Amino acid sequence: QKEVEQNSGPLSVPEGAIASLNCTYSDRGSQSFFWYRQYSGKSPELIMFIYSNGDKEDGRFTAQLNKASQYVSLLIRDSQPSDSATYLCAAHSGYSTLTFGKGTMLLVSP
Amino acid sequence: DAGITQSPRYKITETGRQVTLMCHQTWSHSYMFWYRQDLGHGLRLIYYSAAADITDKGEVPDGYVVSRSKTENFPLTLESATRSQTSVYFCASSGSGASYEQYFGPGTRLTVT
Repeated sequence: QKEVEQNSGPLSVPEGAIASLNCTYSDRGSQSFFWYRQYSGKSPELIMFIYSNGDKEDGRFTAQLNKASQYVSLLIRDSQPSDSATYLCAAHSGYSTLTFGKGTMLLVSP
Repeated sequence: DAGITQSPRYKITETGRQVTLMCHQTWSHSYMFWYRQDLGHGLRLIYYSAAADITDKGEVPDGYVVSRSKTENFPLTLESATRSQTSVYFCASSGSGASYEQYFGPGTRLTVT
């Protein structure tokens, strides 16, 4: 069974710090990986996706992929209280479907 | 630009009743998905569709029925609701490109009493 694992948290960081969110996946055939942000009571919102080994940067967000270690991470620089949310990692699992992790809660304190 | 919408946003129903949750997207995306989200389980795929009249089961399809007669609509029906189907239901859509990213609707919170 294809699985995506995330630490449930909460991960607590002070405002202005770097938040590091991590994810591992079981299916070596997965090619694309996604990070979603979900505020309490809201729907998941796509932040970014990555499919090549290495880093991909978009503003304050950097996604990192290591296929050999089956590891994906999301770095949030200059964390803001408005970044407090649950972050979902997902892996492409075939036929255009995604397998989601259970999410990591991030708390950014002022 | 509505994107992807779901209705109703909240629904309370009784055990044994039939309930239909609606999903509509304006992007002409080929793929559409239904998920349920429960504490401790995360997002779980119920059904998905690759195009009109093409549907397939996901991880937790039992007790649910879908149809897709038009590209833009993907209704989910609970034929005889049970308390275990109390959940938040999300519809999502995705284009037919190679990147597979999905975009979610606002969700329907369903309570079965």
